Amino acid sequence: GAGVSQSPRYKVAKRGQDVALRCDPISGHVSLFWYQQALGQGPEFLTYFQNEAQLDKSGLPSDRFFAERPEGSVSTLKIQRTQQEDSAVYLCASSLANPGLAKYNEQFFGPGTRLTVL
Amino acid sequence: RKEVEQDPGPFNVPEGATVAFNCTYSNSASQSFFWYRQDCRKEPKLLMSVYSSGNEDGRFTAQLNRASQYISLLIRDSKLSDSATYLCVVNPGGGNKLTFGTGTQLKVEL
Repeated sequence: GAGVSQSPRYKVAKRGQDVALRCDPISGHVSLFWYQQALGQGPEFLTYFQNEAQLDKSGLPSDRFFAERPEGSVSTLKIQRTQQEDSAVYLCASSLANPGLAKYNEQFFGPGTRLTVL
Repeated sequence: RKEVEQDPGPFNVPEGATVAFNCTYSNSASQSFFWYRQDCRKEPKLLMSVYSSGNEDGRFTAQLNRASQYISLLIRDSKLSDSATYLCVVNPGGGNKLTFGTGTQLKVEL
């Protein structure tokens, strides 16, 4: 079956440009997460949606980062006025159920979008 | 201090060797613990959950010591295909947000 897909897979942006990264979660998955992974580091949490509601955005590094999931399925992570320190792999993950119903639901990751800011 | 700490390695071991990775976490209220595997330029994938009683899945054994806030992964009879980065992961509780370590790189050689 189809897994989590992300597009584009690679994005090169000039400093100051705006970018939009798309995530298509597994069909029916309620929860959606965005992580940022810098070279040589583990993924770091950015934000979390339960259906269309953004329940946690504590990991977004600045107000240049914005995420949405308006219909509770596809999500977009937007970065405005990109800076060189934004260069990283942006990973999207989805999980099946409401976290309140289970101690943990496995998160399935997409292949990521590798963003390079020049 | 990082929330989840791991030795980045690399660990270079011969095929068939036994290798162990350790990880410590800082949040004593953490509820769930996992090992993820990440191949080069690929996404992380869940390897196994870690339970207080210890759990085994084939050649892989995971242990959790809550008192010491310490997690381990043991790989027996290592294969070339085990070469990857192993990420120690903690769910600090509430909402399934995951906190990852930096990962430990394993290279299994002939």
